[in-house]
Amino acid sequence: QQQVKQSPQSLIVQKGGISIINCAYENTAFDYFPWYQQFPGKGPALLIAIRPDVSEKKEGRFTISFNKSAKQFSLHIMDSQPGDSATYFCAAFSSGSARQLTFGSGTQLTVLP
Amino acid sequence: DTAVSQTPKYLVTQMGNDKSIKCEQNLGHDTMYWYKQDSKKFLKIMFSYNNKELIINETVPNRFSPKSPDKAHLNLHINSLELGDSAVYFCASRRTESNTGELFFGEGSRLTVL
Repeated sequence: QQQVKQSPQSLIVQKGGISIINCAYENTAFDYFPWYQQFPGKGPALLIAIRPDVSEKKEGRFTISFNKSAKQFSLHIMDSQPGDSATYFCAAFSSGSARQLTFGSGTQLTVLP
Repeated sequence: DTAVSQTPKYLVTQMGNDKSIKCEQNLGHDTMYWYKQDSKKFLKIMFSYNNKELIINETVPNRFSPKSPDKAHLNLHINSLELGDSAVYFCASRRTESNTGELFFGEGSRLTVL
């Protein structure tokens, strides 16, 4: 069963626009929520991450909004650029002794010039 | 210097063959993972090792056997390859003490089974 659900599957945005990707999780045994960015032919790389006791985190043009009661979190990319075109994955990092990342299904973002 | 390196990057083989993928990290991390990314880009954990010890073994056919000769290396051996094994396999590592969920991924090994 998929514990982290991500939408949309694909997103096309004009340069300068705002890209929004949404995720929802089911398991409460997660204690960190990172977002990863993956370019073709490369491995995923950490973009930004948030703790569940924080409602928002901003790094440059990237912002995570977190709603613990709704078990939802989202990534906002402001002033989207063609270089942001990539696949974005939300993830949840489990607590406990066997810590692992559970990924969402990914969003293919295309930013048009 | 590549932090997490995998070899080979591409692997094309026939059904029924046995193949291995090697992974090495020079970050000094002691937790390593194998993830499988399917054709729809879905990333699923396969195994996790901590200090050469198997920690996580998801529902993976026992044709897949990881081996960690030391904490900087985690290799993946696959026996009797099947068409459904075609995917990109990613090795990753992290500091065990890190709580942020930051994993460092290799560039992947694309396996094609014909």
